[in-house]
Formats: sequence, C-alpha cells, structure tokens
Amino acid sequence: AQTVTQSQPEMSVQEAETVTLSCTYDTSENNYYLFWYKQPPSRQMILVIRQEAYKQQNATENRFSVNFQKAAKSFSLKISDSQLGDTAMYFCAFMGYSGGGADGLTFGKGTHLIIQP
Amino acid sequence: SAVISQKPSRDICQRGTSLTIQCQVDSQVTMMFWYRQQPGQSLTLIATANQGSEATYESGFVIDKFPISRPNLTFSTLTVSNMSPEDSSIYLCSVDPGTEAFFGQGTRLTVV
Repeated sequence: AQTVTQSQPEMSVQEAETVTLSCTYDTSENNYYLFWYKQPPSRQMILVIRQEAYKQQNATENRFSVNFQKAAKSFSLKISDSQLGDTAMYFCAFMGYSGGGADGLTFGKGTHLIIQP
Repeated sequence: SAVISQKPSRDICQRGTSLTIQCQVDSQVTMMFWYRQQPGQSLTLIATANQGSEATYESGFVIDKFPISRPNLTFSTLTVSNMSPEDSSIYLCSVDPGTEAFFGQGTRLTVV
C-alpha cells in the first residue's frame, strides 16, 4: 500500500514571496503519477500540477513547479510570486496502476497555506 | 477532461436515516471513485465502482454501510445508510479518464 506524508500542517507567507510545500511518499510501484491538488473553502478539488514518475524532468505550470526526486521519494511544490488567491489547503496525492487501470488516489494530510497581504 | 455533477450539494439528515448521493459524468468512464473527507481531514477512498461489477471497498468501509450502484458508464450513486453523527463529512465522487482525477463539487452531509 502507498503512503503519502505532508509534514507541514500550516504555512504562512507574505504575498509575492516564494513558498515550498513538502511531500514524501512510499511505494513499491514503478508506474505512477503524483499530483498536487488545491482545495479552497468552496471545497472543489483543483489540480495544480501533475508529474509522471517515468519523466525525470520536473513539471512546471506557470508559477507552480515541483522538485521530483524519485529515488528519495520526494515531491515538493514550489509556488513563486504567491498571490492571495493561492490561500487554500494543498494536498499531495499518489495514483498507481494495478489490475490494468488507475487506482484511487492516496492523499497526504494536507498543508493549509495562508498568503498574507 | 471530465465534468462531474454531484447532487445534493449539502444535506442535513436525522440519525438512523439514509442518504443517496448521485454523481453524473459528461463522458463515459470505466471507473468511478468515492471519497470521504471528514471535518478538517484529508480525503480517504471509500470504494471503486466499475460498471457491471460489484464495487471494491477499501479497508474500514463495508457495502452494508455504503452501498454503491453503477448502472452505466456515466452515473453512480453512493448511499450512506443508518447514519450517525460520525458520518458527518464531505463525500466526493471522482473519475480518472486518463492521467488525472477529476472531482465533483462534493456533498456536505450533516447528521443530527
């Protein structure tokens, strides 16, 4: 079974600063995806960024980038030029493949990110 | 991508009753997933629903408490049975048509 660990329950930074959210995971699978999801108070789960395990290049989406260290099983999220709208819960998630199809996601406990004006 | 419509968005129910949550997807998908998010907690997978077969439940979740239907490739329901206040949570359905998961808006259930 997979486990996902987020060790930062809450983080607070000033607007325009850069912040890094940590995530580690444990799996014996070789084929998997890793995600960062954002959940604002509306509770809608919003995909922030996705990383395929077989790709060595770190994924980037505008102000969001990851540092994927496969051997260390580490998957951190960096948010540059943080904005007030980035305030939300951020969940790291693992998706494996077994039985020929995608498995359900395994989530970390989440990091509550607060962007201060 | 996939657009998911989940109903109801919220409900307040009496203990001992049951609530059925509906999830409609705008495209055909093989698997649908149901999650529970208890207050202030992360998401936990309840079960995986494949069309034409029995749902597969995760440890700690049983069919008698959370029966699931999957009558076709675009629709699923989750019933929360014989509810108690401990069942107060957000319930979310999700699909994975390829390489990412899409979520419904969630159902906020309060049991009184």
